[in-house]
Amino acid sequence: KAGVTQTPRYLIKTRGQQVTLSCSPISGHRSVSWYQQTPGQGLQFLFEYFSETQRNKGNFPGRFSGRQFSNSRSEMNVSTLELGDSALYLCASSLVGTGYEQYFGPGTRLTVT
Amino acid sequence: ELKVEQNPLFLSMQEGKNYTIYCNYSTTSDRLYWYRQDPGKSLESLFVLLSNGAVKQEGRLMASLDTKARLSTLHITAAVHDLSATYFCAVRPLPSGRSQGNLIFGKGTKLSVKP
Repeated sequence: KAGVTQTPRYLIKTRGQQVTLSCSPISGHRSVSWYQQTPGQGLQFLFEYFSETQRNKGNFPGRFSGRQFSNSRSEMNVSTLELGDSALYLCASSLVGTGYEQYFGPGTRLTVT
Repeated sequence: ELKVEQNPLFLSMQEGKNYTIYCNYSTTSDRLYWYRQDPGKSLESLFVLLSNGAVKQEGRLMASLDTKARLSTLHITAAVHDLSATYFCAVRPLPSGRSQGNLIFGKGTKLSVKP
């Protein structure tokens, strides 16, 4: 069965712009979580969506937002980009939530210049 | 503040040797995960440990969990070059809903296995 897909895989933006990243979970999975990975801070939880509702949120500013559609696909948006937002953004899908095994997508590498 | 600490952060091993990676966490948790990440790649799930005393093995890797000590170990037996990667542990802290809750990751252990 197809894995988690993320688009785009690579993105270069300038400070002040906004960006939207997309994640398509494994078919049948209803939970999508987003993580930011940087060399300095490591892997940090952004948020989790389940059945189109945000169920958990990490400690990130309001510039980071997301949503989930009825087909479980999820998008995350970062507004007013800062240099420190440069990171690998990973999404993970699971059947019903992070309490169950999560399958990670390949990630979107965002570079802010 | 919840902390998940892995050590060592860097590990250079010779092929054929054994070693252990440690993962300590600072809060109660009901499950612990181990992941592998190859350079430029995503995370691959290795083990999910659900209860005190749980032990799981896959090939040359064996993971165990001691919830009382808040400690998990990932033991590598007779290392081979293909095991070179970064290994992360992650904890789901309590209280959490039945199926939800954040995962808190360690900083990762970068393992390099040399011939």
